[in-house]
Amino acid sequence: AQSVAQPEDQVNVAEGNPLTVKCTYSVSGNPYLFWYVQYPNRGLQFLLKYITGDNLVKGSYGFEAEFNKSQTSFHLKKPSALVSDSALYFCAVRSYNFNKFYFGSGTKLNVKP
Amino acid sequence: EADIYQTPRYLVIGTGKKITLECSQTMGHDKMYWYQQDPGMELHLIHYSYGVNSTEKGDLSSESTVSRIRTEHFPLTLESARPSHTSQYLCASTLAQGSDNEQFFGPGTRLTVL
Repeated sequence: AQSVAQPEDQVNVAEGNPLTVKCTYSVSGNPYLFWYVQYPNRGLQFLLKYITGDNLVKGSYGFEAEFNKSQTSFHLKKPSALVSDSALYFCAVRSYNFNKFYFGSGTKLNVKP
Repeated sequence: EADIYQTPRYLVIGTGKKITLECSQTMGHDKMYWYQQDPGMELHLIHYSYGVNSTEKGDLSSESTVSRIRTEHFPLTLESARPSHTSQYLCASTLAQGSDNEQFFGPGTRLTVL
């Protein structure tokens, strides 16, 4: 079975500090992992993905994510948070037959000035 | 911005009404999806489609139905709306070929049933 877990409902960080939003996954076969961001009253926007290759993936808006196979994790990171990064973040895994995406429960990121 | 559109963006209707939520994409994607999401909460897959004339129920039981007569169009219909249907509905699409393609999401329809 495919699933992802986001253990934190909310992450609070001060502007300028590094941020991490956690995600762990369970998947049969090779994992295809994604991060999305959702701003209020909007759909989800794609940030980055891991398919194969380097464990550190760089994406939009200065975000990056680190794939760790032994820990089955795919944590989202940014070296210096901005107030405008405040949003809801979703981790997702694509199923082995590629037809479905399984989303985590979401993590609300609050960046305070 | 992705080329996937949803109308209406907001809808307030009375109980018992029939409604159709529209979703269209101009990217030629074969696979399309409908998700239900309460504000700030997780996404629940309610329907998806592999291509024209193909529809499947998702992981969350839903009283809605979908159709896929054209590649670019994937409408969702509620025959008789109820207050429990109040939620946000997100449409998404992705390419059929390849395993590394992300989903593109529409802006969503926020439905309120009185």
